[in-house]
Amino acid sequence: SAVISQKPSRDICQRGTSLTIQCQVDSQVTMMFWYRQQPGQSLTLIATANQGSEATYESGFVIDKFPISRPNLTFSTLTVSNMSPEDSSIYLCSVEDSSYNEQFFGPGTRLTVL
Amino acid sequence: QKEVEQDPGPLSVPEGAIVSLNCTYSNSAFQYFMWYRQYSRKGPELLMYTYSSGNKEDGRFTAQVDKSSKYISLFIRDSQPSDSATYLCAMNTGFQKLVFGTGTRLLVSP
Repeated sequence: SAVISQKPSRDICQRGTSLTIQCQVDSQVTMMFWYRQQPGQSLTLIATANQGSEATYESGFVIDKFPISRPNLTFSTLTVSNMSPEDSSIYLCSVEDSSYNEQFFGPGTRLTVL
Repeated sequence: QKEVEQDPGPLSVPEGAIVSLNCTYSNSAFQYFMWYRQYSRKGPELLMYTYSSGNKEDGRFTAQVDKSSKYISLFIRDSQPSDSATYLCAMNTGFQKLVFGTGTRLLVSP
């Protein structure tokens, strides 16, 4: 399975600011995903990021609020823009094993917005 | 109605017990079923992966899928305190986005 790292592991931010979360994979992958996990809720897919194309956003998530970059096959960033306390959550990136339809997750970024 | 329903627990059992974790779903097109284990302050870890109906066993863990009832289960034999975690079921139609349950928190006491 792929080894995935995320930076930062946690952060406390002020309302109105932006935070960029980085996701690094130890092997080349086609599909990377960004999820949000709010307390007591299931994982919610924010967007799918494929290298060389625009990210595909799920209903309820927009590019202006969650811009995503995917410059190569091992790296992606998610920015949470103009943050409010409602954005406090764990943000997770995951990658898919293209052969086996298996998804592997990074350790997550715990974001608190004051 | 949610696409995937999972009892949030917590489920408390003594060490050595057999644990049964379950999910129900509504989309009959789901064919791939996964169980993830998530320790506190960690990312989800893929535990079991099953295609279509039937059982799959891996050590102390058995995953069971009953597509006719739209019901999946994860059994843990001889449960250990180290099994204490949140268990998330997930499923999809194949190479599409995963749909997750809310997770069941399991507590195994020594």
